[in-house]
Amino acid sequence: DAGVIQSPRHEVTEMGQEVTLRCKPISGHDYLFWYRQTMMRGLELLIYFNNNVPIDDSGMPEDRFSAKMPNASFSTLKIQPSEPRDSAVYFCASSPSGGRGAGTDTQYFGPGTRLTVL
Amino acid sequence: RKEVEQDPGPFNVPEGATVAFNCTYSNSASQSFFWYRQDCRKEPKLLMSVYSSGNEDGRFTAQLNRASQYISLLIRDSKLSDSATYLCVVNKKDTGRRALTFGSGTRLQVQP
Repeated sequence: DAGVIQSPRHEVTEMGQEVTLRCKPISGHDYLFWYRQTMMRGLELLIYFNNNVPIDDSGMPEDRFSAKMPNASFSTLKIQPSEPRDSAVYFCASSPSGGRGAGTDTQYFGPGTRLTVL
Repeated sequence: RKEVEQDPGPFNVPEGATVAFNCTYSNSASQSFFWYRQDCRKEPKLLMSVYSSGNEDGRFTAQLNRASQYISLLIRDSKLSDSATYLCVVNKKDTGRRALTFGSGTRLQVQP
């Protein structure tokens, strides 16, 4: 079975440019999460969706960041304009819905997009 | 204070050793607890959930102390392949069970 798919795997861009990261969750999963990981701050939740609806975006650092989920199989995280401090690994994860069983809490991560803003 | 705190390590242990990692969390209302494993330059993967009564999965044992807001992971008979960063994870304050907060991780290096 295909896991979470992210693209691109690596992105190098210049400050001020728009960056779009893409994610395809595992089929049938109702939850989708975007994280950012840096050495200084570790793994931070940016935003998550349930059934394509944003539930919690309190982790989005500022207005330069936006995320959408137009359908159950696709999400984007956009940074416009990008800044050097946005350099990080961005992970997308998905999770199934269901009851309170531990299995439904498990989040499955994609391979990440390594973003470098020069 | 960080929501989830871990000793960053690194823990350098010989093969076959027993090693224990600890983690504390600040939100007493947290309901879900996990250990994730992250290999260098890879994505995090679930190692095991942590239940109130404690649970074991092969060489790995997890314990939860709600009164002290403390989680532990014990690895017995360490293998070279156990070398990784271990992330302590709890559900995030005030945002429901689905939003997780990750600790910064404890790095383990098992040496031959």
